[in-house]
Amino acid sequence: DQQVKQNSPSLSVQEGRISILNCDYTNSMFDYFLWYKKYPAEGPTFLISISSIKDKNEDGRFTVFLNKSAKHLSLHIVPSQPGDSAVYFCAANLQGAQKLVFGQGTRLTINP
Amino acid sequence: DTAVSQTPKYLVTQMGNDKSIKCEQNLGHDTMYWYKQDSKKFLKIMFSYNNKELIINETVPNRFSPKSPDKAHLNLHINSLELGDSAVYFCASSLRGGHLEQFFGPGTRLTVL
Repeated sequence: DQQVKQNSPSLSVQEGRISILNCDYTNSMFDYFLWYKKYPAEGPTFLISISSIKDKNEDGRFTVFLNKSAKHLSLHIVPSQPGDSAVYFCAANLQGAQKLVFGQGTRLTINP
Repeated sequence: DTAVSQTPKYLVTQMGNDKSIKCEQNLGHDTMYWYKQDSKKFLKIMFSYNNKELIINETVPNRFSPKSPDKAHLNLHINSLELGDSAVYFCASSLRGGHLEQFFGPGTRLTVL
């Protein structure tokens, strides 16, 4: 029973264009959503988060959008840079449980 | 000056053996975690300790036993290893009450033959 899913295992985008990574969830008790970024041979690192009471959060080139009615969130990276090539994990916080539920990741490749 | 470190990085062993993975963080965090990344790539929490006290214990076989000698260390001991235990295991830490932003170690790839 995977409560957080990233249905695209990989995504390839040209440098300078917009990268859009998607994530779907099923549990209405999630109160925060996060994106983590992972380079090979390293652990995931926190990138950006959004509270369930908001629909958008922006940090530089990274914007996360939340659509609660559709139980969907997305991460937009614009403009995409070669250093953005990594695996991106979507995660959700289960209210009151103090634990994160992660998706399976999407491998983003930025082509020069 | 690695923030969260794990040893070993790779572990290859036979079925039935007992093995340990060590984790140390030098961030002064109170909470530490163990995650398993399975063959389908989902990152799933196994355990969480807050200041040496177990606070999260997911449905994990009791062959897996975490041990926290102090708040900077959380080791994972696995008894009677099985083929299905093959995975990448990540250790992480966070400030107390700050579990949204976790700092992960580089992972330990365990292969059970």
